[in-house]
Amino acid sequence: EAQVTQNPRYLITVTGKKLTVTCSQNMNHEYMSWYRQDPGLGLRQIYYSMNVEVTDKGDVPEGYKVSRKEKRNFPLILESPSPNQTSLYFCASSLPGTGYFGPGTRLTVT
Amino acid sequence: GESVGLHLPTLSVQEGDNSIINCAYSNSASDYFIWYKQESGKGPQFIIDIRSNMDKRQGQRVTVLLNKTVKHLSLQIAATQPGDSAVYFCAENTPRGGYALNFGKGTSLLVTP
Repeated sequence: EAQVTQNPRYLITVTGKKLTVTCSQNMNHEYMSWYRQDPGLGLRQIYYSMNVEVTDKGDVPEGYKVSRKEKRNFPLILESPSPNQTSLYFCASSLPGTGYFGPGTRLTVT
Repeated sequence: GESVGLHLPTLSVQEGDNSIINCAYSNSASDYFIWYKQESGKGPQFIIDIRSNMDKRQGQRVTVLLNKTVKHLSLQIAATQPGDSAVYFCAENTPRGGYALNFGKGTSLLVTP
């Protein structure tokens, strides 16, 4: 079954404590991306990767890092989380004209 | 800047009726337009896409129409069912960064019995 998995699904953390949200896809897609979803703002792209070792900023990259060492994995790293990064995060894996999203990670930074 | 937006934030329809969700876009260079459905607590789910060289595409109970002249996209759901209640997003697949998706804000569809 084609799927995108994310972990953890829920996370509550404190300001400044580094965290990583993992993302993995089993469809051999080259393109992966991270989005955050906030009420009234919709889905906004944070970072994307067009292939292994190729990453670039999306629309809201400040405060985030990513890496793409393997095709299937695309972790999102928050080196020093802040309360304004409290959000619902989605990882996506896609081809032109389609996109598969993970189940989401709800992050709360206190 | 370029944007994708929706005409209506909420839509309420009766079960069995047809639903039409509209979307305006401004990036004429987009290659694909995609509709997603997002149910509460879940990630967006692909419904249907349409290439920029097409004006209509049909799926199971859904039809997407693309009017490039006025940069308008619509999703038609036939015989709407309670399970169709969700937030619907249109997204444009922009040339920037390969297959980047630029999402609209979403329309909440509520199907009443």
